[in-house]
Amino acid sequence: DVKVTQSSRYLVKRTGEKVFLECVQDMDHENMFWYRQDPGLGLRLIYFSYDVKMKEKGDIPEGYSVSREKKERFSLILESASTNQTSMYLCASSLASGINLDTGELFFGEGSRLTVL
Amino acid sequence: AQSVSQHNHHVILSEAASLELGCNYSYGGTVNLFWYVQYPGQHLQLLLKYFSGDPLVKGIKGFEAEFIKSKFSFNLRKPSVQWSDTAEYFCAVNPSWHNAGNMLTFGGGTRLMVKP
Repeated sequence: DVKVTQSSRYLVKRTGEKVFLECVQDMDHENMFWYRQDPGLGLRLIYFSYDVKMKEKGDIPEGYSVSREKKERFSLILESASTNQTSMYLCASSLASGINLDTGELFFGEGSRLTVL
Repeated sequence: AQSVSQHNHHVILSEAASLELGCNYSYGGTVNLFWYVQYPGQHLQLLLKYFSGDPLVKGIKGFEAEFIKSKFSFNLRKPSVQWSDTAEYFCAVNPSWHNAGNMLTFGGGTRLMVKP
């Protein structure tokens, strides 16, 4: 079974703090993603990475950065947390794209619920 | 940019009732379509997907979805729901040509509550 592990299930931070959300997957997937989930808005893509040290902006990258130094680990960084970043953050991974590899399935972690006060 | 609309935000059904959740997308080209489910306290998991071929797709737990290209729709159905189907359901789309990491666009989700 694919396992995507997010290091923190619940975090409470103060405005202006730097926040790190860590995600590790154990299936040697090339692609990794960070989404935020908000009621009524579904999942919105923040950043994704298709290889080590590679990153691409998603739909809502403002206020976030990412790091992928190792294939299995993808970190989301909030340089200066703000209250509008209070949300559920979901990490996901998938196999590389390509006709024979791409099943189209994302494997999600259990989420990190961040509250910024 | 493509978008995905799920018109029902909250659905409440009794057990054994039939279910249909609407999903419409706005993209003119060929697409891959997905339904994900999130049970309370659990991570999102794939329910079913459509890439090509038979537009009626069967997934896990008795769910199915029908792709109607002319209507840009991919509605999820189940003939008889169970209490254990209580969850949030997300429709998702990505263009078939897109080969940079399965960039899915998700709908806003539908919360289904099944009364025992």
